Amino acid sequence: GQNIDQPTEMTATEGAIVQINCTYQTSGFNGLFWYQQHAGEAPTFLSYNVLDGLEEKGRFSSFLSRSKGYSYLLLKELQMKDSASYLCAVNDYKLSFGAGTTVTVRA
Amino acid sequence: DAGVIQSPRHEVTEMGQEVTLRCKPISGHDYLFWYRQTMMRGLELLIYFNNNVPIDDSGMPEDRFSAKMPNASFSTLKIQPSEPRDSAVYFCASSMPGSVSVNEQFFGPGTRLTVL
Repeated sequence: GQNIDQPTEMTATEGAIVQINCTYQTSGFNGLFWYQQHAGEAPTFLSYNVLDGLEEKGRFSSFLSRSKGYSYLLLKELQMKDSASYLCAVNDYKLSFGAGTTVTVRA
Repeated sequence: DAGVIQSPRHEVTEMGQEVTLRCKPISGHDYLFWYRQTMMRGLELLIYFNNNVPIDDSGMPEDRFSAKMPNASFSTLKIQPSEPRDSAVYFCASSMPGSVSVNEQFFGPGTRLTVL
C-alpha cells in the first residue's frame, strides 16, 4: 500500500520562507511530484524529482532523499497568491497523493 | 491548447439517478486519468487509460462506477445508481505519450457532484 504524510496546515508571513515536508512509504518509486491547488481549482504541476537532490525553479525548490523516503517543497519570498494547498504525490506506476498541506500567507 | 475539458462543471442529482461525467483530454496525450477528491479522503485515482485501454481500475469504488474511453478525445465516468456518499469533485487529467512515470499530469477544472 501507499502511505504519504504531510502536515495539514502551515501559516507564514508574506516575504518569508516555508518548507513543506513529505514522507512516504510506497511499494514502488518512480518519482515524486508536487502540485499546487488553489481553493476550488484543479491541481497544477510544480515540480518533479526522481533522483536525490534539490531541484530549483524560481521561488520554488523541491528536494528528494530516496533512502529516507523524504521530500520537501521550499517556497521562498512568499506572496499572498501562494496561499493554496500543496500536494505531494508519489509515482510507482500511478500517482498516489498525500492529503495536502494548506498554506496560508498573511500580510 | 484548450487544456483538459470537463462537463458538466456542476451536477446536482437525487439519489438513485444515473450520472455521467465527460472529459476531453489534451490533443496528443495518450494517458487519461479519473480522480475523485473529498475532504475526508483527499485526491484518489479511480481509473486510468493508455491509448483508450483501461490499465488500472483498482481505485473504482464499486460496481456502480464505470468508465469508458471510446476514442482518443473522449472519456466518460458513469455512476449508476448514485448515492449521497458519491458527492465529491471529480477530476479528469491527461499526460503526454511516454512513460506515465515521468510525465506531469494536466488536470481539468473538475465536476462538482452533489447527490441529494
